[in-house]
Amino acid sequence: KNEVEQSPQNLTAQEGEFITINCSYSVGISALHWLQQHPGGGIVSLFMLSSGKKKHGRLIATINIQEKHSSLHITASHPRDSAVYICAVKRGAGDYGGSNYKLTFGKGTLLTVNP
Amino acid sequence: DTEVTQTPKHLVMGMTNKKSLKCEQHMGHRAMYWYKQKAKKPPELMFVYSYEKLSINESVPSRFSPECPNSSLLNLHLHALQPEDSALYLCASSQGVLRAEAFFGQGTRLTVV
Repeated sequence: KNEVEQSPQNLTAQEGEFITINCSYSVGISALHWLQQHPGGGIVSLFMLSSGKKKHGRLIATINIQEKHSSLHITASHPRDSAVYICAVKRGAGDYGGSNYKLTFGKGTLLTVNP
Repeated sequence: DTEVTQTPKHLVMGMTNKKSLKCEQHMGHRAMYWYKQKAKKPPELMFVYSYEKLSINESVPSRFSPECPNSSLLNLHLHALQPEDSALYLCASSQGVLRAEAFFGQGTRLTVV
């Protein structure tokens, strides 16, 4: 089982719809990233979360540390939101000597928003 | 300035060529990373530099040779690559190795022919 699981793998929506992408993880973390990658493009960091909720424009990210779960919401979706959204976690300090120097990535969610 | 700049954006090279990828950041970050990403896969970590010293090599073949000339620059020297090395190469930086927030560059799309 992957340490970071995202759902759904693929998501198609109509312009204007409210979108939710989910991320569950199985390790202790110090922070969680939501990243965006357009086809063939580089990665843009949308949010870094260690608790609670963050909002930027039409994007909202939440994290529940006890449940080891995070969600990315997009309100009033637009075709330009079409991209792969990736959840990535940084392991907690207790994992030093393990892999806490690197991000562990989910497999991504491909979002297509149709006009 | 929160940018990580990578050059070139695209590179085509033969298996006998020597080329270099460049990465630059001016955020004062002391940790810099190289990732390799194949199509429809998540990025895979290759190297980590901390305070200009190589701290992590994720068992990367020696045909990839990283270099950190100063705290703002990170290079990846390529020699005798194979077609299967064709991928998107991403550079990232963070304030420190254990600090979580990473900033990514736009990547270099490498094709080995």
